[in-house]
Amino acid sequence: DIVMTQSPATLSVSPGERATLSCRASQSISSNLAWYQQKRGQAPRLLIYGASTRATGIPARFSGTGSGTEFTLTISSLQSEDFAVYYCQQYSDWPRTFGQGTKVEI
Amino acid sequence: EVYLVESGGGLVQPGGSLRVSCAASGFTVRTNYMSWVRQAPGKGLEWVSILYSGGSTYYADSVKGRFTISGHNSKNTLYLQMNSLRAEDTAVYYCARGKTESGELIYLDVWGQGTTVTVSS
Repeated sequence: DIVMTQSPATLSVSPGERATLSCRASQSISSNLAWYQQKRGQAPRLLIYGASTRATGIPARFSGTGSGTEFTLTISSLQSEDFAVYYCQQYSDWPRTFGQGTKVEI
Repeated sequence: EVYLVESGGGLVQPGGSLRVSCAASGFTVRTNYMSWVRQAPGKGLEWVSILYSGGSTYYADSVKGRFTISGHNSKNTLYLQMNSLRAEDTAVYYCARGKTESGELIYLDVWGQGTTVTVSS
């Protein structure tokens, strides 16, 4: 199975600051990566697919980069509603696997 | 509007059975790739099962032989029948719609709010 490793586990950021989250794949997955946001008590929401394409309705402050094994999700200026857990997911191979998540906290 | 609503979760004893449901609105379950993903307390996400539009299925090794995914066309509903439940099956179970590319399920673009399954004596 492809192992997805996210870092850091927790990221402490102030509102208005930039947040940079990392996701590393145990083998190359090209650009077959999605990012999800999960707020406390809510279902995950698709943010990014194809490593860099924002899903419908996702604000431009969210951006994704990377290919191969190294990926980054950047939130350019954190808003109060962005404090959540973020997961990456690869769709290069079966089984589809998720990272363990990065919690973005105040 | 496109959305999913799960139901049927609850407390069940180890070895018991439970069926959770997921009612879809705004799209047709039968023509999409539908998934169940679970999240154990305080843990990350685990892909459990997929029902493909052609009727074939996929199961994670952790549930293979115990769980069965199915759909009801007229009710536009997805099900997950869970048998021989174990404590480690305790989780919030989410249903989700999958996006496809070249016939492969790639990522999940619509999620339900989840239903909680607790396996305990």
